[in-house]
Amino acid sequence: GDSVTQMEGPVTLSEEAFLTINCTYTATGYPSLFWYVQYPGEGLQLLLKATKADDKGSNKGFEATYRKETTSFHLEKGSVQVSDSAVYFCALSKDGGSQGNLIFGKGTKLSVKP
Amino acid sequence: DTAVSQTPKYLVTQMGNDKSIKCEQNLGHDTMYWYKQDSKKFLKIMFSYNNKELIINETVPNRFSPKSPDKAHLNLHINSLELGDSAVYFCASSQSGGSEQFFGPGTRLTVL
Repeated sequence: GDSVTQMEGPVTLSEEAFLTINCTYTATGYPSLFWYVQYPGEGLQLLLKATKADDKGSNKGFEATYRKETTSFHLEKGSVQVSDSAVYFCALSKDGGSQGNLIFGKGTKLSVKP
Repeated sequence: DTAVSQTPKYLVTQMGNDKSIKCEQNLGHDTMYWYKQDSKKFLKIMFSYNNKELIINETVPNRFSPKSPDKAHLNLHINSLELGDSAVYFCASSQSGGSEQFFGPGTRLTVL
């Protein structure tokens, strides 16, 4: 079946460090790909998305590129801040994510130290 | 204004009890969902529902039942609570055909 695998955390970085969180997927067809972020004590928020191969999603300094050849959607940020500390979830959907079939990875906890 | 709200935020109860968690969205969306997040932060869809169709994840025990009094509400009722039901439950909503789901803040359920 369809699945998402992301790097295990926790990831601890110093402020202004470069961030990469790896995400790979297994799916038939052409899924849409998402990164969601969960700040402490809150629900998930959509961070960015890409709906077709070679698309780049970006938001708040985060970027991820849909790579069909490597079935990957790695999340990157050039300079993290303490406020980026959160759990990050990679997810896929076959129909754009609106019909309840978002499949999530297990989440990666990021801690940024000042 | 809160887009997707849930009550209660915390729920502590004894095994065997029946409880409900409420969810409301003011986004005008036509589809709502319930997710379960376990202690390792793993998220799994339980139900998706619009005014036409209820889709149930086949792994969800039938002790769990969604109830929708109207398009803006999808409550989760749980019968005969078990220890393994302890988790954070998230409600979400979306507009069919759209590509983003909006999540509520979660309800932390603890079964003793």
